[in-house]
This record gives sequence, C-alpha cells and structure tokens, in this order.
Amino acid sequence: DAKTTQPNSMESNEEEPVHLPCNHSTISGTDYIHWYRQLPSQGPEYVIHGLTSNVNNRMASLAIAEDRKSSTLILHRATLRDAAVYYCILRDQANSKLTFGKGITLSVRP
Amino acid sequence: EAGVAQSPRYKIIEKRQSVAFWCNPISGHATLYWYQQILGQGPKLLIQFQNNGVVDDSQLPKDRFSAERLKGVDSTLKIQPAKLEDSAVYLCASSAQGWGANVLTFGAGSRLTVL
Repeated sequence: DAKTTQPNSMESNEEEPVHLPCNHSTISGTDYIHWYRQLPSQGPEYVIHGLTSNVNNRMASLAIAEDRKSSTLILHRATLRDAAVYYCILRDQANSKLTFGKGITLSVRP
Repeated sequence: EAGVAQSPRYKIIEKRQSVAFWCNPISGHATLYWYQQILGQGPKLLIQFQNNGVVDDSQLPKDRFSAERLKGVDSTLKIQPAKLEDSAVYLCASSAQGWGANVLTFGAGSRLTVL
C-alpha cells in the first residue's frame, strides 16, 4: 500500500482555519486520497476524498498539489468538536482496503 | 438512516477465555469490515467481506480469531482463546457498492480488555 506521512499533532484556535498537511510522494496514478477523522471514543468518520482536482463538501475542503505528491485538508472554521485524530489514506480503488496510519491529532483551543 | 450497530460496547475477560462481537451493518451495504484498533494506533483491517464471501483476511490471526457473515448481513467476530495483546477496540464498518463504495461507515466499536 502506498504510504502517507503526517505530522504527529497540530494545535489551532477556535473559529480559525486549519490546514492539515499530508505527504504521499509514492502515490500512483490510480490512488485516491481519502481523509477520515476519529473523535474520542468513536469510530472513524469519513471526511472527504479526491483524485486530482480540489474537492469541497460541507465538512471540509481538500487541496491536492498539481504533482499529487501532497495534499491539505482544510477546515474553514475550527470548532471544539473538530478536535480529533485525522487520517490521510491512499486507496487505489473503491473496493480496496483502507489502511490507516497513526494520523495527526488536532487540538482546538477555545 | 440507521448507522452501523455493534455490541457489546465493552467486554472484560481473562486471558484464555473466549469472546464474540456482533455487527449489524447499514441496510443494503454489501461490504463489511472488521478492524482492530490498539490504543494509540490507527485501525488495522482484520477481515473484509463482500456479501458473505471473504475478500481479504490476510491480517486475521486465524489460530485464534474467526469471523463469519452467513447471510450476507450481520457478522460475528470471535476470539478464542484471548491473549493479553488482544486488548483493543474492535471496529466494524460497512460500505455500499458502486459510487458509495468509496465511503466506509464505522460503528462505535467494542472495547475489549483482557486481564
């Protein structure tokens, strides 16, 4: 499985934008970039995914570099409820397994 | 729509005992996954079912773990006998076919403590 690299942790202030980086230098042409997050004591939750173009949904935006070797998950206005572990995952097709790394722990200060 | 249901939420057993976890996926979801999440780590896939057939069980410790999905709906994960290192949260997830296959929906998990 292609691997991703994320910082261990990040802090942000409430109501400010948050940019969570992810490096995936060995990404192949058929790998989709997926983001999931896991709130304390809950199962992971789908956030967003994309292939080449930037993507927006109600939860977040995904900015993908032109060479696809990195991407950034953008939370436009962080809330305390956004404090979680965020996982950046490469998945080569819809039915292939989702392999989680350690993720990045986001803390949000009031 | 109802989410992925798992039970029990918590279980404490002694080593060498057996335990079973149950999962009811979202209605109509063909693919079901069992993940193991040890404290401080990301979830690790144990087994993936497509309807009632196994797609991937390469990381399932088959000497002690077993899983079944007999009618292609709900599933049971069993551990027998349990070891201390099996203490973890066991997460069940499901996904639809086609476009919906991109999104996994997870249950809240079953936390196992082995003493």
